[in-house]
Amino acid sequence: GQNIDQPTEMTATEGAIVQINCTYQTSGFNGLFWYQQHAGEAPTFLSYNVLDGLEEKGRFSSFLSRSKGYSYLLLKELQMKDSASYLCAVRDHPNNNDMRFGAGTRLTVKP
Amino acid sequence: EPEVTQTPSHQVTQMGQEVILRCVPISNHLYFYWYRQILGQKVEFLVSFYNNEISEKSEIFDDQFSVERPDGSNFTLKIRSTKLEDSAMYFCASSDMTEAFFGQGTRLTVV
Repeated sequence: GQNIDQPTEMTATEGAIVQINCTYQTSGFNGLFWYQQHAGEAPTFLSYNVLDGLEEKGRFSSFLSRSKGYSYLLLKELQMKDSASYLCAVRDHPNNNDMRFGAGTRLTVKP
Repeated sequence: EPEVTQTPSHQVTQMGQEVILRCVPISNHLYFYWYRQILGQKVEFLVSFYNNEISEKSEIFDDQFSVERPDGSNFTLKIRSTKLEDSAMYFCASSDMTEAFFGQGTRLTVV
């Protein structure tokens, strides 16, 4: 079996920094993805981590620790448009590329 | 940016009817997926497809569902004998090893 856990909801203030955590327990590991999903829309790819460490991409950074089964997505200089759900997805098998999703974290950015 | 295209964007069907959802993946990607998202719930994996065959399917993907790649570009999901609980957004995704992109989805409503 597998578990991918994220907080259900978070609130932050415009201009601030927010960290969204994801922990996973899977039978294997072959990479972790973060997606942004606005209500009624498709998930949009944000980042991919397969090695430990931090990947930075503009205002968004993603961190992975494989030994701890832990990742976080860091959003800096929050904007109102960042209000969305953030989905953590794990590839849990070395021989295929299937992604299994957590339930997502609904982020609300307030002025 | 390359994109995954899904048709139709909306489909209303009567219970018991068959529907075919269509997807055109990104041309140089080798891995294709179907996901389902019931309103307000998490993104659920249905099936993955590689090298013209199913590589993995979830417990949701029972005999009611089938996938095909009838030509070099299209990737279809067929749902036979639809039920009310099949009402959801259905997302197609395609992937290389490090990125996975979703189509805009088909909203299926079974009445």
